[in-house]
Amino acid sequence: GDSVTQMEGPVTLSEEAFLTINCTYTATGYPSLFWYVQYPGEGLQLLLKATKADDKGSNKGFEATYRKETTSFHLEKGSVQVSDSAVYFCALTGGGYNKLIFGAGTRLAVHP
Amino acid sequence: GAGVSQSPSNKVTEKGKDVELRCDPISGHTALYWYRQSLGQGLEFLIYFQGNSAPDKSGLPSDRFSAERTGGSVSTLTIQRTQQEDSAVYLCASSSSANEKLFFGSGTQLSVL
Repeated sequence: GDSVTQMEGPVTLSEEAFLTINCTYTATGYPSLFWYVQYPGEGLQLLLKATKADDKGSNKGFEATYRKETTSFHLEKGSVQVSDSAVYFCALTGGGYNKLIFGAGTRLAVHP
Repeated sequence: GAGVSQSPSNKVTEKGKDVELRCDPISGHTALYWYRQSLGQGLEFLIYFQGNSAPDKSGLPSDRFSAERTGGSVSTLTIQRTQQEDSAVYLCASSSSANEKLFFGSGTQLSVL
């Protein structure tokens, strides 16, 4: 079945460092890909998405490119802030509705 | 309301008891989803409602789990004869239609002693 694998955390960075969180997927067909973020004490919220190959999703300085050839959707940010500390989830959906398949989540901690 | 509301925010129960978890979706959202977030299992899909019907309930882990939705709005997830492995955060989400952006509630933390 469909699945998502993302790098284990925690990831600990200093402020202004470059961030990469790896995500790869296995799916039949052509899924849509997502990054969700869960800030401390808050609910999950959509960070960015891409619906077809070579699409780039971007939001709040974060980017991810849908790479069909490598079945990847790595999350990047050029300069992280303390406020980016959160748990990041990669996800896909291949059906006609939001039946999301999530990765295990990666905790990011950014220190001043 | 302004967002997806879930109640209670925390529930502690004894093994073998039944529990009901409630979700109030954003007004007008026809699609409603339940997910479970547990240690070691990550986030897993439980059930999807479109209106009051559930076209996909494939993620419900056992027949102890059931859910209903009434009036195209409020949904209740019921767990009968709770077990310790049911301990998790139960998340509800809604969207204006099946493919539109999902909005998640803050979840119900269920602890089964």
